Amino acid sequence: GAGVSQSPRYKVTKRGQDVALRCDPISGHVSLYWYRQALGQGPEFLTYFNYEAQQDKSGLPNDRFSAERPEGSISTLTIQRTEQRDSAMYRCASSLVSKETQYFGPGTRLLVL
Amino acid sequence: GIQVEQSPPDLILQEGANSTLRCNFSDSVNNLQWFHQNPWGQLINLFYIPSGTKQNGRLSATTVATERYSLLYISSSQTTDSGVYFCAVEPGGSYIPTFGRGTSLIVHP
Repeated sequence: GAGVSQSPRYKVTKRGQDVALRCDPISGHVSLYWYRQALGQGPEFLTYFNYEAQQDKSGLPNDRFSAERPEGSISTLTIQRTEQRDSAMYRCASSLVSKETQYFGPGTRLLVL
Repeated sequence: GIQVEQSPPDLILQEGANSTLRCNFSDSVNNLQWFHQNPWGQLINLFYIPSGTKQNGRLSATTVATERYSLLYISSSQTTDSGVYFCAVEPGGSYIPTFGRGTSLIVHP
């Protein structure tokens, strides 16, 4: 269907709160990636899925970060007990299969006060 | 991990000029992509080019995997080409893309 969508587009939260960021990939895309992008930097890999299976989570900064994709489509990135350093743009991308062109969503800009 | 270096970091052009952006990487790769991040923050894939040359309109890209670099050519630049150009590589045996820091391009009318 349409491109990758993410929600919310902007999220402001207080330190210590949990947030859940949603990604809806292109229909039929097997692979789904999460990235974090700081200002002036390129995207930094967090984790990725093939179908519902999390293939690699080595990029998740610590155990406050988790992700799931229970039905192999929509994915949620959850950050527990947010800290100010978590403030960034969180981007999702999907591809038909691994090692194919990645299509990025618009991102969720997270601000932790 | 693999190192990705992009040059130049910043580039200012007059509309109509041509430019070449470079991406060097420190190890063999199975995949290389070029992306354009427009001034509104949207990331758009330009090329999937692990090797060889591809062209799409005024843009073309060449990857010489054996020498560990890729080039993105922009001809007859337009103001809409402004933004940040990222190179992303996937090392051999990995599905994890590593992005460079980007080249920030400003095209003046």
